[in-house]
Amino acid sequence: KAGVTQTPRYLIKTRGQQVTLSCSPISGHRSVSWYQQTPGQGLQFLFEYFSETQRNKGNFPGRFSGRQFSNSRSEMNVSTLELGDSALYLCASSLIPNPGPLGDTQYFGPGTRLTVL
Amino acid sequence: QKEVEQDPGPLSVPEGAIVSLNCTYSNSAFQYFMWYRQYSRKGPELLMYTYSSGNKEDGRFTAQVDKSSKYISLFIRDSQPSDSATYLCAMLDDKIIFGKGTRLHILP
Repeated sequence: KAGVTQTPRYLIKTRGQQVTLSCSPISGHRSVSWYQQTPGQGLQFLFEYFSETQRNKGNFPGRFSGRQFSNSRSEMNVSTLELGDSALYLCASSLIPNPGPLGDTQYFGPGTRLTVL
Repeated sequence: QKEVEQDPGPLSVPEGAIVSLNCTYSNSAFQYFMWYRQYSRKGPELLMYTYSSGNKEDGRFTAQVDKSSKYISLFIRDSQPSDSATYLCAMLDDKIIFGKGTRLHILP
């Protein structure tokens, strides 16, 4: 079965621009989470969607937004890009939200490497 | 104080050695603990998960949780060069909180 796919894999933008990243979860998975990974801050939770509804949100400014479609595919958008937004953006999918306690597994995609110049 | 603290390394050990990776945490509400492995240019993959205090073994890997000390460990026995990766601890509250990861190098 195909894994989590993220597009594009690499992206270069300039300050002030906006960007949209895409994530296709594993077939049958309805929960999608987004994370930002940087050397300084590590892996930080952005938001989680389940059945097209945002269930949880991390401590990021409103410039970061997301959505989930009826086929469970998800997009995240960053507006007015800043240099500090340069990071690896990871998407993870699972059958249900907060999968740990029920023994389910969250599967990560390879990420989108965003560079802001 | 960060919710989850993890030494970033790098940690270099010879092949065959026992590796010990550790995390401390501050939130006593955490009940579910996980270890992820991340190879270069890849997303993290779940290695092991444990619930509450105790040990869990899976092949060469053992996860240990000490809730009284707010301390978790991952032990790798008979380490192999293919174990070279970044290891991230993670804990579940209403969302998953990750440590920053420890870079591990196994020297042939």
